Amino acid sequence: SQKIEQNSEALNIQEGKTATLTCNYTNYSPAYLQWYRQDPGRGPVFLLLIRENEKEKRKERLKVTFDTTLKQSLFHITASQPADSATYLCALDEGGSTLGRLYFGRGTQLTVWP
Amino acid sequence: DAGVIQSPRHEVTEMGQEVTLRCKPISGHNSLFWYRQTMMRGLELLIYFNNNVPIDDSGMPEDRFSAKMPNASFSTLKIQPSEPRDSAVYFCASRDSNTGELFFGEGSRLTVL
Repeated sequence: SQKIEQNSEALNIQEGKTATLTCNYTNYSPAYLQWYRQDPGRGPVFLLLIRENEKEKRKERLKVTFDTTLKQSLFHITASQPADSATYLCALDEGGSTLGRLYFGRGTQLTVWP
Repeated sequence: DAGVIQSPRHEVTEMGQEVTLRCKPISGHNSLFWYRQTMMRGLELLIYFNNNVPIDDSGMPEDRFSAKMPNASFSTLKIQPSEPRDSAVYFCASRDSNTGELFFGEGSRLTVL
């Protein structure tokens, strides 16, 4: 069956450190993968999209990698801040276009403490 | 644009009652998604539309759930009759077809007693 797994339900790190979140998938062949941030009581907010032919993408303090051989994406937040505390969700499509289904992992709740 | 607008934000109802959730997508977005989020199951895709046409409703839990998109600016998700296990946050999202990015509404929190 198709599955999207995010490394752990919760990750706690100290301010200034790099947070690394993992997204593994099975029985999908996605053309691209996305990461979203969700704050309590709010809808998810888009952060980054990486395509299957891209190995790495950066946006400010965020970096995403995509390894289609390992079927894994890593999401890094460098120089983390307490304001980065939220739940981070990975999402992937079924392959082929930007008009298909988009499936989400359960998310990893990140807490950055001062 | 005001973003994706959902209503109501909160709904408390009794088992057996009909529930209608509403969504206004971002103008110009051709795809609309309905998701349900619970602690146990995370974000589940219920149904999505392209150009107002339902493409895949395989995620709709059972016949008690139905969704419509009569035009490009409005969609509804209806549950009839509602049951306590339907309690969840229901999100609507529209998609920018150029970037693939989903824009979510703030969700409708449904509690069925």
